[in-house]
Amino acid sequence: EAGVAQSPRYKIIEKRQSVAFWCNPISGHATLYWYQQILGQGPKLLIQFQNNGVVDDSQLPKDRFSAERLKGVDSTLKIQPAKLEDSAVYLCASSFNRGPDTQYFGPGTRLTVL
Amino acid sequence: AQSVTQPDIHITVSEGASLELRCNYSYGATPYLFWYVQSPGQGLQLLLKYFSGDTLVQGIKGFEAEFKRSQSSFNLRKPSVHWSDAAEYFCAVGSNDYKLSFGAGTTVTVRA
Repeated sequence: EAGVAQSPRYKIIEKRQSVAFWCNPISGHATLYWYQQILGQGPKLLIQFQNNGVVDDSQLPKDRFSAERLKGVDSTLKIQPAKLEDSAVYLCASSFNRGPDTQYFGPGTRLTVL
Repeated sequence: AQSVTQPDIHITVSEGASLELRCNYSYGATPYLFWYVQSPGQGLQLLLKYFSGDTLVQGIKGFEAEFKRSQSSFNLRKPSVHWSDAAEYFCAVGSNDYKLSFGAGTTVTVRA
């Protein structure tokens, strides 16, 4: 079974530029999550989708971050404009159910904002 | 809201020695508890989870964890560490609204 795919794996941008990350969850997984992991910290949930609808985006900085999951499969997370403090690893995860189910993580995208 | 504390930022252990990583959680209801491992440049891999039932949980790679409600703890153990166990370990608690909160992680270094 293929795991969660993410691209790109690494991205370096200047502050105020925009960037987009892509995630393809495990086939059949209805729930998709985006996490931000700052160096030295645990992952922090940014947004959670159930199929193509947003379940929780309470910790998403909506003035600069946006995410979508068209057709309830793959998802894109965008940052525009980027700030220095956005430097982090962005992890995508998926689970079969929205309930207390195991989340499977992708390898992440390491973003460096200069 | 729930939270997780991993008191040890870094642990060094000799190969073949036992390992115990501490995890304390704060949550008002019955928690769902997880341990994940992250190797450099990799995503998080699930080691084990506790939802209900037997409080001693067996996981992959020879790891086990024990849920102690009275101590709000879910410590991870391995009887004999291998060099490949060097990684960062994260404890996480899930709530009834299905949000997962992670601790800051414990980095494990294995010396020969």
